[in-house]
Amino acid sequence: DAGVIQSPRHEVTEMGQEVTLRCKPISGHDYLFWYRQTMMRGLELLIYFNNNVPIDDSGMPEDRFSAKMPNASFSTLKIQPSEPRDSAVYFCASRHSTGYNSPLHFGNGTRLTVT
Amino acid sequence: GEDVEQSLFLSVREGDSSVINCTYTDSSSTYLYWYKQEPGAGLQLLTYIFSNMDMKQDQRLTVLLNKKDKHLSLRIADTQTGDSAIYFCAEDRGSTLGRLYFGRGTQLTVWP
Repeated sequence: DAGVIQSPRHEVTEMGQEVTLRCKPISGHDYLFWYRQTMMRGLELLIYFNNNVPIDDSGMPEDRFSAKMPNASFSTLKIQPSEPRDSAVYFCASRHSTGYNSPLHFGNGTRLTVT
Repeated sequence: GEDVEQSLFLSVREGDSSVINCTYTDSSSTYLYWYKQEPGAGLQLLTYIFSNMDMKQDQRLTVLLNKKDKHLSLRIADTQTGDSAIYFCAEDRGSTLGRLYFGRGTQLTVWP
């Protein structure tokens, strides 16, 4: 398996622009998570899905952030409009249903820089 | 509270043992995980322990679990410069809908 695939690896954009981050989870995994990592705040859970349905979006910073999962093999995280304080590394992760040992598998992240 | 606690930094000399500590919150947690993050990469699963175990050994790695104190530790024997990374502990609270709870991560620096 190729693992969790994120694109792009790096994104540089100007303040006010729309940014879309993409994720393909591991096939067969029914949970998908979006995290943000910064030096100041560490690893923050933004939102997660189960069977394509959002379960908890309480970590989404504000209305400028939105996430979708139109099918089991694809998810997007969109920031519109972007701001410099959104600069961070964004990780997508997936896992099987719980009930047995089921670790999270992470992608390599998208490093976002908003100037 | 909700927080999984870890110290932020640890420095050791190459060849020494490293011990990274973690305090978790939920006595009903089922699995506890250690993840390793190298620069520019995502988090990779290093090892895990089931809550009914006290210890797990995997080559140079030893995980100790003290359920009474809700304390988890990761010992790395014969630490190498390649072990320099951020180490995260995470707990699976079982009843919570699918998510893991992560600590802030411990930056391990290994000096030659």
